[in-house]
Amino acid sequence: GQQVMQIPQYQHVQEGEDFTTYCNSSTTLSNIQWYKQRPGGHPVFLIQLVKSGEVKKQKRLTFQFGEAKKNSSLHITATQTTDVGTYFCAGVNQGAQKLVFGQGTRLTINP
Amino acid sequence: DAGVIQSPRHEVTEMGQEVTLRCKPISGHDYLFWYRQTMMRGLELLIYFNNNVPIDDSGMPEDRFSAKMPNASFSTLKIQPSEPRDSAVYFCASSFKAGRGHTDTQYFGPGTRLTVL
Repeated sequence: GQQVMQIPQYQHVQEGEDFTTYCNSSTTLSNIQWYKQRPGGHPVFLIQLVKSGEVKKQKRLTFQFGEAKKNSSLHITATQTTDVGTYFCAGVNQGAQKLVFGQGTRLTINP
Repeated sequence: DAGVIQSPRHEVTEMGQEVTLRCKPISGHDYLFWYRQTMMRGLELLIYFNNNVPIDDSGMPEDRFSAKMPNASFSTLKIQPSEPRDSAVYFCASSFKAGRGHTDTQYFGPGTRLTVL
């Protein structure tokens, strides 16, 4: 079945440093979504990427979808303590409503 | 909008007992999803419904797990009998199909933290 791999599993940075998490799918995706889960909280939708090679920005966050629609990345510039949490990518196959989540990257920040 | 509502928020039970988790999706959403989250296995989809009909239950671990959606505003996930390895956070999420070829975002509830002793 479809698998979505996400690396790294953990990342610890100093406040102000950049952070990147990578997501790879075993199959070509229709689209990919990113979610953030704060410690003790629930996943919250961040963004959806649909087009091959698409790049979207939300303030300090930059999301990319690969040309082959099999990989994606999330980059945070100049991390802040509010960025702490686990970031999940979730892949979607054509015509499906079912998300296949990656394992998540847990980000911790040293203030 | 109150968002997705789940109850109880915490449940502690003994092995062998029946556990029922409840979910009220966002009004107007026609998809409902049940997930389980553990440190070891991450976030796993157990089952999802469309218009109250179960579409994919391939993630349900075994016959001890069952889910129902008797109407558009209520769903239950039942574990009978419960086992210690069922300890996890169970999330319910709902979404509205945005349109052909698109996948709408999923809105997660706060989760139920289940501990089976």
